[in-house]
Amino acid sequence: SQTIHQWPATLVQPVGSPLSLECTVEGTSNPNLYWYRQAAGRGLQLLFYSVGIGQISSEVPQNLSASRPQDRQFILSSKKLLLSDSGFYLCAWSPYYNQPQHFGDGTRLSIL
Amino acid sequence: SQKIEQNSEALNIQEGKTATLTCNYTNYSPAYLQWYRQDPERGPVFLLLIRENEKEKRKERLKVTFDTTLKQSLFHITASQPADSATYLCALDRAGANNLFFGTGTRLTVIP
Repeated sequence: SQTIHQWPATLVQPVGSPLSLECTVEGTSNPNLYWYRQAAGRGLQLLFYSVGIGQISSEVPQNLSASRPQDRQFILSSKKLLLSDSGFYLCAWSPYYNQPQHFGDGTRLSIL
Repeated sequence: SQKIEQNSEALNIQEGKTATLTCNYTNYSPAYLQWYRQDPERGPVFLLLIRENEKEKRKERLKVTFDTTLKQSLFHITASQPADSATYLCALDRAGANNLFFGTGTRLTVIP
């Protein structure tokens, strides 16, 4: 069966520090991969998605970036975090774009 | 622009009653609609998918309807239980894009 791993579960970072969140999927190949951010009381905001290795689509302009160095690995990064980057970050995968998405357990990021 | 509205931020019902959650959308004609459950500090979990040519879908105590004329989906939980307490999100496919557009969710509380 397929599983998705996302870490760390919680992270506290100072403003201006770098960020790297990692997500890996097991048990499937060539999945669609997604990064979302969820602010308190808000819906899921799609940040990036990828349909294949090295293929990244950005949904909103921000100081975040994403990379997909391997088929089942998706990384969210920032060179310098802002206070506004605080939130709950979720990684998800789906076999194809119109199929249900399967989410990781999320990372709670707090910027101080 | 495309917009999704879920009827209310919070809904409280008595155990054993049927909970009905509403998802309305505008400026859009989705090919399919999905419902997810999200518990606090966890990733959403897929529940049901309904396509534009389907009027109704059932899974155990869950039922989803999709009215493309009214631009509305209803999500029902029959014989509700306290364990059904969670936030429920609806999501629509985005035309021409490989991803979903999520509503802000309705927080359901089932009172014993």
